[in-house]
Amino acid sequence: GENVEQHPSTLSVQEGDSAVIKCTYSDSASNYFPWYKQELGKRPQLIIDIRSNVGEKKDQRIAVTLNKTAKHFSLHITETQPEDSAVYFCAASTSGNQFYFGTGTSLTVIP
Amino acid sequence: DTEVTQTPKHLVMGMTNKKSLKCEQHMGHRAMYWYKQKAKKPPELMFVYSYEKLSINESVPSRFSPECPNSSLLNLHLHALQPEDSALYLCASGPGAYNSPLHFGNGTRLTVT
Repeated sequence: GENVEQHPSTLSVQEGDSAVIKCTYSDSASNYFPWYKQELGKRPQLIIDIRSNVGEKKDQRIAVTLNKTAKHFSLHITETQPEDSAVYFCAASTSGNQFYFGTGTSLTVIP
Repeated sequence: DTEVTQTPKHLVMGMTNKKSLKCEQHMGHRAMYWYKQKAKKPPELMFVYSYEKLSINESVPSRFSPECPNSSLLNLHLHALQPEDSALYLCASGPGAYNSPLHFGNGTRLTVT
C-alpha cells in the first residue's frame, strides 16, 4: 500500500516568516494530494489540494507544489500568523476512496 | 457550520457497556468513513462504506461494528471496549470519486474506563 512520510514533525517560526512542510509518497498511482489543518480539539479541515496533472496551486498565503517524478509534495505558508498554529496533515489518494495520511507537523507561530 | 454531524461529542463508557456513535451528512456523498485518532497522531482508517456497502475494513477488532442504514447515516456500535480504545473517533464523507477531498465531522471524544 501507499506510504506517506511527512517532515518536519514540529516547526516553530516567527510571525511573518514562511513555513514549509514536505511529504513524500511511495505509490506512483497516487493522483490526489489534500492538505488538512487540525486545530487543538477540532476536526481536520481541508486547506488546499492538488491533483497530479498540476505542478503548483496557490490560494492567498497558502501554496502547494507537486513533483511527480520525485514523488514529493510540499505545503508553503507565507506571512505566517498566530492563527496558523495547528497540526497539518498531508495525504495521498489513489482510488478516491482510500486516503493515506502523513504523520503530521505541529506548527507554532510565535508572535 | 459543520456539514458532517457527529453525536455525541463526548462519551465515557465502561468496558462492559454497549454504546453507539452516530454520523450524518446531507451533502449527497456516496462514501462514508470511520477514523480513529489518538493525540498528536494522524487519523487511522477503520472502515469505509461506498454506496451503503462496506468496502474497506482495516482489520478492526469485532468490538467495533459499523452500520450504514442509508446513504446519509453511519453508525459505529461499541461493545466490550478496552481502555486503549479511548480516542477521538472521526466520521468523514466524500463523493467517492477521484480527486475529491474528505469532509470530517467534529468527532466523538471517547473515554473507556
